[in-house]
Amino acid sequence: EAGVTQSPTHLIKTRGQQATLRCSPISGHTSVYWYQQALGLGLQFLLWYDEGEERNRGNFPPRFSGRQFPNYSSELNVNALELEDSALYLCASSPKNIQYFGAGTRLSVL
Amino acid sequence: QKEVEQDPGPLSVPEGAIVSLNCTYSNSAFQYFMWYRQYSRKGPELLMYTYSSGNKEDGRFTAQVDKSSKYISLFIRDSQPSDSATYLCAMCADSSYKLIFGSGTRLLVRP
Repeated sequence: EAGVTQSPTHLIKTRGQQATLRCSPISGHTSVYWYQQALGLGLQFLLWYDEGEERNRGNFPPRFSGRQFPNYSSELNVNALELEDSALYLCASSPKNIQYFGAGTRLSVL
Repeated sequence: QKEVEQDPGPLSVPEGAIVSLNCTYSNSAFQYFMWYRQYSRKGPELLMYTYSSGNKEDGRFTAQVDKSSKYISLFIRDSQPSDSATYLCAMCADSSYKLIFGSGTRLLVRP
């Protein structure tokens, strides 16, 4: 069974640009979570989508947004990129409380 | 004070040693407790999952939760060099499903 897949693996952007990150959950999982893992800051919860709706949001500015599609895949958008947005962005999917992670997208903002 | 505290290490042990990794937390609402292993530049891999208090064993790994002390542990028996990674504890309350992570402990198992 395929795990959580994320694309792209690496993304290089310049300050002020927009980044779009994608996530496909494990088949049968309806919940998708996004986390940011920045150097020295650990894993920080960003967003939770379930059944196409945003259910919870972490302490991040509105320029971090996303959506979940009818097939439960998800997209994370980061607008007006700042240097401190450079991090590993991890997606997880879950049937309930147990979250399974993908390999992440490494975003570098120059 | 962080909701979840975890010693960042690094923790260096010889091959074959028993490893003890720990986290403390402050939120008594946490009911679900997980341990993840993360290799460098990879996503976290779920190792153990425990609901409420008690012990759970899976092969060389044992997870313990003491809710009265707000303390969780992961024990690794017969540690191997391939166990060298960062170990993250994570937990959530029943209602939110939002995982709160410790900062991770870096483990190095020396051959």
